[in-house]
Amino acid sequence: NAGVTQTPKFQVLKTGQSMTLQCAQDMNHEYMSWYRQDPGMGLRLIHYSVGAGITDQGEVPNGYNVSRSTTEDFPLRLLSAAPSQTSVYFCASSYSRLAGGVYEQYFGPGTRLTVT
Amino acid sequence: KQEVTQIPAALSVPEGENLVLNCSFTDSAIYNLQWFRQDPGKGLTSLLLIQSSQREQTSGRLNASLDKSSGRSTLYIAASQPGDSATYLCAVSAGKSTFGDGTTLTVKP
Repeated sequence: NAGVTQTPKFQVLKTGQSMTLQCAQDMNHEYMSWYRQDPGMGLRLIHYSVGAGITDQGEVPNGYNVSRSTTEDFPLRLLSAAPSQTSVYFCASSYSRLAGGVYEQYFGPGTRLTVT
Repeated sequence: KQEVTQIPAALSVPEGENLVLNCSFTDSAIYNLQWFRQDPGKGLTSLLLIQSSQREQTSGRLNASLDKSSGRSTLYIAASQPGDSATYLCAVSAGKSTFGDGTTLTVKP
């Protein structure tokens, strides 16, 4: 299994440009999430999905859109990039280890985004 | 709103020392708590997952405990090695996950 994959690894955007960060998993996980990590800080949840066709907002959703048309893919779209969105973006997927919802998260390698 | 705090923010110890990293959270209604390791410029590697019904989990030199009632977890690292140098993050989950800011550990040879 490839696990959780993310593309691209690095990206530089100009203010106002849009782009899509790709995330895919081959573990048939129900749950997928997007986080951003700023220097010296932990991860903050942007959006998450509990299954195909279902998405919800996390802690910092403004400026980002997501969709989940398949179990495997969960792309993150930046609508109009701003310097405040310069960060490292991580995608994660989760499965239920036991009935009742206990979720161990697996993370992708991250995308380093710089907005100038 | 769940808040997760990790103290200390940074820790430097000599090789061979046993050490404890702390994680506290404000809302005890969690499904699980997970400890991660992050090397500089890298992604997150899961170390231990403790279910809400468990008190501790062990993996090799690592032992993680959970006290839901007091909103605390500790990660104990025995006989530390320079290869243990990394940032350690804890995350609590109730469907959505909330992360602490991490403890950066340096183990000196």
